[in-house]
Amino acid sequence: GDSVTQMEGPVTLSEEAFLTINCTYTATGYPSLFWYVQYPGEGLQLLLKATKADDKGSNKGFEATYRKETTSFHLEKGSVQVSDSAVYFCALSGNQFYFGTGTSLTVIP
Amino acid sequence: DTAVSQTPKYLVTQMGNDKSIKCEQNLGHDTMYWYKQDSKKFLKIMFSYNNKELIINETVPNRFSPKSPDKAHLNLHINSLELGDSAVYFCASSLGRFSGNTIYFGEGSWLTVV
Repeated sequence: GDSVTQMEGPVTLSEEAFLTINCTYTATGYPSLFWYVQYPGEGLQLLLKATKADDKGSNKGFEATYRKETTSFHLEKGSVQVSDSAVYFCALSGNQFYFGTGTSLTVIP
Repeated sequence: DTAVSQTPKYLVTQMGNDKSIKCEQNLGHDTMYWYKQDSKKFLKIMFSYNNKELIINETVPNRFSPKSPDKAHLNLHINSLELGDSAVYFCASSLGRFSGNTIYFGEGSWLTVV
């Protein structure tokens, strides 16, 4: 069946460091891929999405590219800020919606 | 305007009690969901309704019963609460049930059973 695997956390970075959170997927057919962010005490918000191979989703300096050949959708940001501290979820939409286990990111000044 | 709203946000109750969480969406979506998030942030889908019809009913205790009076509302009733029910419960909605539709989440209901 469909599934999503993302790198385990927690991840701790200094401000302005480069961020990568890995996400790989298994799916039949052609799913859409998402990254959601959950700030402390809040619900999940859509960060970015990509609906087909080679699409790049981007928002707030974050980006991820839908790579069919490597079945990946890694999240990247060139320079993180303290305000990016949150839990990040990779997700897949096929016949159902599947979420990864979440990666906690803490950015320290 | 809040797109997906759920009440209450915080709920502290004793074991054995019955409680309900209400959810409403004003996005005009056809599909609504209940998710449970545990202390490790793991998200588990519990139920999904499409146009008031139950389409996903994952393995959850019978003590949990969803109710959808119309496609804009999906409430969750929990009987005989147990300590292990303590979690954050998220309501969510999407335009439809098919691939590519974004899921929009409410802010969560923090349930603590003591």
